[in-house]
Amino acid sequence: DAGVIQSPRHEVTEMGQEVTLRCKPISGHDYLFWYRQTMMRGLELLIYFNNNVPIDDSGMPEDRFSAKMPNASFSTLKIQPSEPRDSAVYFCASSHRGQVEKLFFGSGTQLSVL
Amino acid sequence: SQQGEEDPQALSIQEGENATMNCSYKTSINNLQWYRQNSGRGLVHLILIRSNEREKHSGRLRVTLDTSKKSSSLLITASRAADTASYFCATVGNYGQNFVFGPGTRLSVLP
Repeated sequence: DAGVIQSPRHEVTEMGQEVTLRCKPISGHDYLFWYRQTMMRGLELLIYFNNNVPIDDSGMPEDRFSAKMPNASFSTLKIQPSEPRDSAVYFCASSHRGQVEKLFFGSGTQLSVL
Repeated sequence: SQQGEEDPQALSIQEGENATMNCSYKTSINNLQWYRQNSGRGLVHLILIRSNEREKHSGRLRVTLDTSKKSSSLLITASRAADTASYFCATVGNYGQNFVFGPGTRLSVLP
Protein backbone atom coordinates (compact mmCIF):
# COMPACT_ATOMS: atom_id res chain seq x y z
CA ASP A 1 0.00 0.00 0.00
CA ALA A 2 1.34 3.43 -0.94
CA GLY A 3 0.04 5.09 2.19
CA VAL A 4 -1.62 8.49 2.32
CA ILE A 5 -0.51 10.56 -0.64
CA GLN A 6 -0.46 14.33 -0.53
CA SER A 7 0.34 16.80 -3.26
CA PRO A 8 2.08 19.04 -3.78
CA ARG A 9 4.94 18.50 -1.32
CA HIS A 10 5.80 22.17 -1.39
CA GLU A 11 3.76 25.15 -2.48
CA VAL A 12 4.95 28.73 -2.65
CA THR A 13 2.40 31.33 -3.58
CA GLU A 14 1.70 35.00 -3.25
CA MET A 15 -0.81 36.53 -0.91
CA GLY A 16 -4.27 36.61 -2.44
CA GLN A 17 -3.80 33.57 -4.63
CA GLU A 18 -5.92 30.45 -4.41
CA VAL A 19 -4.22 27.36 -3.06
CA THR A 20 -5.48 23.79 -3.43
CA LEU A 21 -3.99 20.94 -1.46
CA ARG A 22 -4.78 17.37 -2.42
CA CYS A 23 -4.98 14.09 -0.54
CA LYS A 24 -5.49 10.48 -1.49
CA PRO A 25 -6.27 8.38 1.60
CA ILE A 26 -5.41 4.74 2.03
CA SER A 27 -7.81 2.56 0.09
CA GLY A 28 -10.59 1.22 2.31
CA HIS A 29 -10.20 3.85 4.99
CA ASP A 30 -13.42 5.49 6.14
CA TYR A 31 -12.10 8.55 7.94
CA LEU A 32 -10.07 11.43 6.55
CA PHE A 33 -8.56 14.25 8.59
CA TRP A 34 -6.92 17.53 7.67
CA TYR A 35 -4.41 18.97 10.15
CA ARG A 36 -2.26 22.09 10.11
CA GLN A 37 1.09 22.24 11.91
CA THR A 38 2.94 25.40 12.92
CA MET A 39 5.62 26.09 15.49
CA MET A 40 3.35 28.45 17.38
CA ARG A 41 0.14 26.42 17.46
CA GLY A 42 1.34 22.86 16.98
CA LEU A 43 -1.00 20.40 15.27
CA GLU A 44 -4.52 21.68 14.77
CA LEU A 45 -7.42 19.60 13.50
CA LEU A 46 -9.13 21.54 10.73
CA ILE A 47 -11.84 19.13 9.59
CA TYR A 48 -12.59 15.44 9.37
CA PHE A 49 -14.79 13.31 7.13
CA ASN A 50 -16.50 9.98 7.66
CA ASN A 51 -17.55 8.14 4.50
CA ASN A 52 -16.96 11.32 2.49
CA VAL A 53 -19.26 13.40 4.72
CA PRO A 54 -17.81 16.31 6.73
CA ILE A 55 -18.43 15.57 10.40
CA ASP A 56 -16.67 18.36 12.24
CA ASP A 57 -15.31 21.49 10.61
CA SER A 58 -15.11 23.58 13.75
CA GLY A 59 -11.35 23.82 13.35
CA MET A 60 -11.49 25.53 9.98
CA PRO A 61 -10.04 28.97 10.69
CA GLU A 62 -12.40 31.07 8.60
CA ASP A 63 -14.44 31.20 5.43
CA ARG A 64 -11.32 31.38 3.32
CA PHE A 65 -10.80 27.68 4.02
CA SER A 66 -12.94 24.97 2.46
CA ALA A 67 -12.58 21.21 2.17
CA LYS A 68 -14.28 18.67 -0.01
CA MET A 69 -14.30 14.92 -0.38
CA PRO A 70 -16.09 14.10 -3.64
CA ASN A 71 -15.31 10.39 -3.35
CA ALA A 72 -13.62 7.89 -1.06
CA SER A 73 -10.24 8.27 -2.72
CA PHE A 74 -9.79 12.01 -2.95
CA SER A 75 -10.03 15.13 -0.83
CA THR A 76 -9.03 18.76 -1.31
CA LEU A 77 -8.34 21.62 1.05
CA LYS A 78 -8.68 25.01 -0.58
CA ILE A 79 -7.59 28.40 0.68
CA GLN A 80 -8.97 31.41 -1.15
CA PRO A 81 -7.58 34.01 -0.85
CA SER A 82 -4.38 32.92 0.84
CA GLU A 83 -2.62 35.04 3.46
CA PRO A 84 0.93 34.90 4.89
CA ARG A 85 -0.43 33.61 8.22
CA ASP A 86 -1.66 30.50 6.39
CA SER A 87 1.96 29.41 5.96
CA ALA A 88 2.27 26.02 7.64
CA VAL A 89 2.59 22.32 6.97
CA TYR A 90 -0.77 20.79 6.12
CA PHE A 91 -1.23 17.10 6.82
CA CYS A 92 -3.86 14.70 5.65
CA ALA A 93 -4.48 11.51 7.62
CA SER A 94 -6.83 8.59 7.22
CA SER A 95 -8.03 5.71 9.36
CA HIS A 96 -10.17 2.62 9.11
CA ARG A 97 -13.44 2.20 10.98
CA GLY A 98 -12.08 -0.99 12.57
CA GLN A 99 -9.39 1.04 14.33
CA VAL A 100 -10.37 4.64 13.94
CA GLU A 101 -7.83 5.85 16.45
CA LYS A 102 -4.85 4.71 14.43
CA LEU A 103 -4.22 7.58 12.07
CA PHE A 104 -1.99 7.19 9.03
CA PHE A 105 -0.45 10.49 8.02
CA GLY A 106 0.75 11.69 4.67
CA SER A 107 4.08 13.45 4.28
CA GLY A 108 2.41 16.84 4.33
CA THR A 109 2.36 19.92 2.13
CA GLN A 110 4.69 22.74 3.12
CA LEU A 111 2.81 25.93 2.23
CA SER A 112 4.54 29.29 2.07
CA VAL A 113 2.43 32.36 1.35
CA LEU A 114 4.57 35.39 0.54
CA SER B 1 -9.85 21.92 25.83
CA GLN B 2 -8.74 18.35 26.20
CA GLN B 3 -5.39 19.09 24.62
CA GLY B 4 -2.51 17.01 25.86
CA GLU B 5 0.66 18.74 26.91
CA GLU B 6 3.95 16.92 26.74
CA ASP B 7 6.75 17.38 29.20
CA PRO B 8 9.61 18.06 28.75
CA GLN B 9 9.58 20.15 25.60
CA ALA B 10 13.02 18.87 24.68
CA LEU B 11 15.14 15.98 25.90
CA SER B 12 18.69 15.07 25.03
CA ILE B 13 20.20 11.72 26.08
CA GLN B 14 23.00 9.36 25.18
CA GLU B 15 22.45 6.25 23.11
CA GLY B 16 21.55 3.32 25.35
CA GLU B 17 19.85 5.44 27.99
CA ASN B 18 16.13 5.41 28.66
CA ALA B 19 13.93 8.31 27.64
CA THR B 20 10.76 9.24 29.50
CA MET B 21 8.20 11.69 28.21
CA ASN B 22 5.05 12.75 29.98
CA CYS B 23 1.67 13.92 28.77
CA SER B 24 -1.09 15.66 30.71
CA TYR B 25 -4.61 16.33 29.54
CA LYS B 26 -7.62 18.15 30.87
CA THR B 27 -10.87 16.28 30.23
CA SER B 28 -12.04 12.68 30.33
CA ILE B 29 -10.82 10.58 27.45
CA ASN B 30 -11.69 7.41 25.61
CA ASN B 31 -8.09 6.60 24.80
CA LEU B 32 -4.66 8.16 24.48
CA GLN B 33 -2.11 7.60 21.78
CA TRP B 34 1.52 8.35 21.15
CA TYR B 35 2.94 9.31 17.77
CA ARG B 36 6.44 9.94 16.46
CA GLN B 37 7.41 12.53 13.86
CA ASN B 38 10.76 12.53 12.15
CA SER B 39 11.94 15.83 10.78
CA GLY B 40 10.08 16.78 7.61
CA ARG B 41 7.78 13.77 7.75
CA GLY B 42 4.25 12.92 8.80
CA LEU B 43 3.37 11.43 12.16
CA VAL B 44 3.60 7.71 12.75
CA HIS B 45 1.35 5.92 15.22
CA LEU B 46 3.30 4.18 17.97
CA ILE B 47 0.89 2.88 20.58
CA LEU B 48 -2.63 3.34 21.94
CA ILE B 49 -3.79 2.88 25.51
CA ARG B 50 -7.46 2.84 26.43
CA SER B 51 -8.92 4.57 29.44
CA ASN B 52 -9.47 1.27 31.26
CA GLU B 53 -5.83 0.22 30.82
CA ARG B 54 -2.97 1.26 33.08
CA GLU B 55 0.08 0.02 31.21
CA LYS B 56 0.96 -1.23 27.77
CA HIS B 57 4.13 -2.48 26.11
CA SER B 58 5.28 -2.61 22.52
CA GLY B 59 8.88 -3.60 21.88
CA ARG B 60 11.08 -0.98 23.57
CA LEU B 61 8.06 1.22 24.31
CA ARG B 62 6.19 1.26 27.58
CA VAL B 63 3.16 3.48 28.09
CA THR B 64 1.35 4.14 31.33
CA LEU B 65 -1.92 5.92 31.92
CA ASP B 66 -3.20 7.42 35.16
CA THR B 67 -6.73 8.68 34.57
CA SER B 68 -7.00 10.02 38.13
CA LYS B 69 -4.09 12.36 37.44
CA LYS B 70 -5.02 12.79 33.77
CA SER B 71 -1.50 11.90 32.73
CA SER B 72 0.43 9.40 30.64
CA SER B 73 4.09 8.58 30.20
CA LEU B 74 6.04 7.10 27.33
CA LEU B 75 9.23 5.26 28.13
CA ILE B 76 11.69 4.31 25.41
CA THR B 77 14.24 1.86 26.71
CA ALA B 78 17.78 1.41 25.39
CA SER B 79 17.42 4.40 23.09
CA ARG B 80 19.09 4.53 19.67
CA ALA B 81 20.12 7.42 17.46
CA ALA B 82 17.23 6.47 15.17
CA ASP B 83 14.80 7.32 17.98
CA THR B 84 15.65 10.99 17.49
CA ALA B 85 12.31 12.60 16.64
CA SER B 86 9.43 14.55 18.11
CA TYR B 87 6.92 12.60 20.15
CA PHE B 88 3.29 13.62 20.52
CA CYS B 89 0.45 12.41 22.65
CA ALA B 90 -3.06 12.57 21.24
CA THR B 91 -6.32 12.29 23.10
CA VAL B 92 -9.81 11.43 21.99
CA GLY B 93 -12.86 12.32 24.02
CA ASN B 94 -15.89 10.15 24.54
CA TYR B 95 -17.68 11.51 21.49
CA GLY B 96 -16.57 11.97 17.94
CA GLN B 97 -13.12 11.54 16.49
CA ASN B 98 -11.58 14.88 17.38
CA PHE B 99 -8.00 13.79 17.93
CA VAL B 100 -6.20 16.55 19.80
CA PHE B 101 -2.41 16.58 19.79
CA GLY B 102 -0.08 18.10 22.34
CA PRO B 103 2.87 20.36 21.42
CA GLY B 104 5.30 17.44 21.47
CA THR B 105 8.64 16.52 23.03
CA ARG B 106 11.75 16.80 20.87
CA LEU B 107 14.02 13.87 21.68
CA SER B 108 17.65 13.87 20.65
CA VAL B 109 19.61 10.66 21.10
CA LEU B 110 23.32 11.27 20.83
CA PRO B 111 25.59 8.48 19.55
